[in-house]
Amino acid sequence: GAVVSQHPSRVICKSGTSVKIECRSLDFQATTMFWYRQFPKQSLMLMATSNEGSKATYEQGVEKDKFLINHASLTLSTLTVTSAHPEDSSFYICSAREGSREQYFGPGTRLTVT
Amino acid sequence: GENVEQHPSTLSVQEGDSAVIKCTYSDSASNYFPWYKQELGKGPQLIIDIRSNVGEKKDQRIAVTLNKTAKHFSLHITETQPEDSAVYFCAAMINDMRFGAGTRLTVKP
Repeated sequence: GAVVSQHPSRVICKSGTSVKIECRSLDFQATTMFWYRQFPKQSLMLMATSNEGSKATYEQGVEKDKFLINHASLTLSTLTVTSAHPEDSSFYICSAREGSREQYFGPGTRLTVT
Repeated sequence: GENVEQHPSTLSVQEGDSAVIKCTYSDSASNYFPWYKQELGKGPQLIIDIRSNVGEKKDQRIAVTLNKTAKHFSLHITETQPEDSAVYFCAAMINDMRFGAGTRLTVKP
C-alpha cells in the first residue's frame, strides 16, 4: 500500500509554546489530507480535512486558530498546535488520499505538553 | 452526519478460532467501508476494504461482508494467530471517514 510518514513521532513541549507536525505522502499525490486526534483507548476523531491549495475544513468544536493546518503541496501537510496546553496532549494522526482512492494513515505523533 | 457503531468493544479468542467484528452505519450514502488494524503506539493500517457495489470480499484469512439494506458490515478473521492481537476499527465513508469505536482483539496462544 501507499506510504504516509509523520514527523516527529514524539514531541514534548512546554505549555504555551507551539509545535508543528509534518505529514508526507511518499509515493502518491495526496489531493486530500486529514488530521485526526486519538485519546488513549478511544477511536480516531476527525479534526479537519484539507485539499491541496485550499483552506482546511474543520470539524465542529475544533478551533481553527489553535490547530493551524497547511496543505501547500500534494505531498505535504502540516499541523501546528499553537499555544499548547496539557489538555492538547494526545496522539495526532494524519491520513492522505489520492482522489477517491483508499485512505492511508501515518504512524502518528505523540504530543505531550508539560 | 454519518454515525458508525462497532461491536464488540473487546474480543478474546483462542488461537486458531475465528473472530467476527460487526459495524452498523447510519447514512445510506456511505459507499466505502474499510477496516483498519492499529497496534499500540502506531497509526492504523488498512487491512481490507469493500465498496458498496460488492457484498463480500476476501483476502486470505480476512473477509468482509456488507449488507447495504441493513446498513451493516462485518470483519471475519479465520485461523486467528497471536499477531492478530490489536485494535480493529471499521469506518464508513462518503466524503470523509467516520470510525467506529474500535474492538480490542486478543488472541490467546
